[in-house]
Amino acid sequence: EPEVTQTPSHQVTQMGQEVILRCVPISNHLYFYWYRQILGQKVEFLVSFYNNEISEKSEIFDDQFSVERPDGSNFTLKIRSTKLEDSAMYFCASSEGEWGTQYFGPGTRLTVL
Amino acid sequence: KNEVEQSPQNLTAQEGEFITINCSYSVGISALHWLQQHPGGGIVSLFMLSSGKKKHGRLIATINIQEKHSSLHITASHPRDSAVYICAVKTSGTYKYIFGTGTRLKVLA
Repeated sequence: EPEVTQTPSHQVTQMGQEVILRCVPISNHLYFYWYRQILGQKVEFLVSFYNNEISEKSEIFDDQFSVERPDGSNFTLKIRSTKLEDSAMYFCASSEGEWGTQYFGPGTRLTVL
Repeated sequence: KNEVEQSPQNLTAQEGEFITINCSYSVGISALHWLQQHPGGGIVSLFMLSSGKKKHGRLIATINIQEKHSSLHITASHPRDSAVYICAVKTSGTYKYIFGTGTRLKVLA
């Protein structure tokens, strides 16, 4: 069964460094999402992406964040200058259509020291 | 006040019991999702609803748009149902999602 994959599974970085989190959505899916979950807290929406552009972003998704679909398969989340409070699990998801089931990746745990 | 509220926050049940988890929301929505987060952290989508009722196996989800309320029911619960169940709404006219804080379910054998 097709699945969403994410790499790395765990990323440790120093405050102020740039990180890129990678996702490979399911191949025929057109809608892509990033979410984060700080340890012990609820899942939060970051951004949705369709047709090579951001369709919606949350207040969390400030100028430090960017997303890109550099080729036909990868979907990346970049954090330019990480802060301690960026430490969280980041989930990527994709869906075939706007109203389709979202399939989640296993997540990348980001630890900012 | 959270825009998406779930109750209860924690629930312990005996195997075989009928379980209900509730979700109320205060914003206009175009769809509501029920998700399951496994103890290891992985998230699986269970249902997407915009009206009425859906059933999949032992799981039933209902939504009342007028009352801004949805319920997730699990019939004949099993220890493998132990997980966090999350309600998430897609706000009207947007691609934005708001999540509830989740209901932690533990089913005892």
